[in-house]
Amino acid sequence: QKEVEQNSGPLSVPEGAIASLNCTYSDRGSQSFFWYRQYSGKSPELIMFIYSNGDKEDGRFTAQLNKASQYVSLLIRDSQPSDSATYLCAVRFGFNKFYFGSGTKLNVKP
Amino acid sequence: DGGITQSPKYLFRKEGQNVTLSCEQNLNHDAMYWYRQDPGQGLRLIYYSQIVNDFQKGDIAEGYSVSREKKESFPLTVTSAQKNPTAFYLCASSINGVGEKLFFGSGTQLSVL
Repeated sequence: QKEVEQNSGPLSVPEGAIASLNCTYSDRGSQSFFWYRQYSGKSPELIMFIYSNGDKEDGRFTAQLNKASQYVSLLIRDSQPSDSATYLCAVRFGFNKFYFGSGTKLNVKP
Repeated sequence: DGGITQSPKYLFRKEGQNVTLSCEQNLNHDAMYWYRQDPGQGLRLIYYSQIVNDFQKGDIAEGYSVSREKKESFPLTVTSAQKNPTAFYLCASSINGVGEKLFFGSGTQLSVL
């Protein structure tokens, strides 16, 4: 079974701070990496995806990928209370199988 | 609007009963998936299908069955063999191809009476 590991948290940051979430994966052949946000009782919502080594920025979100070290991270700048949710890391293995980490719960304190 | 529709939102199963969760998509996606999520945990893959009339077991397929007779539809049956069915079930779809993204329906919460 493919492994995707995340720290379950909770990660608590004050409003306006940078939240940093990390994820490691087991398969060096993985090519596609995704971050989903999930509010309690709701389905996951895609917020970032990255395929190449380096950084990808979209608004307040930055995804970072390091294939040599097999980790992907998500930075949330200027964190808001509305960012409080569980963040799921997903990795696409092979052609069509997506595996998910157990998620990191983020609390942004006003 | 394009999207993935799951029904019902809540479902209750009696002992020994089979129940079927519906999943319909109008995104013209080739691949469809079923995931199970237990409280405080990530998503575990039950079944997936890349094309019509074909599907593969995921990591926790025991006690579940699926069909894929139409591109738009991928129903999941939770059989009486699944002894611990209480969970949040998520249907998802994607376009076939490396790099394509996964999109989710709104989920079905299944509970045992």
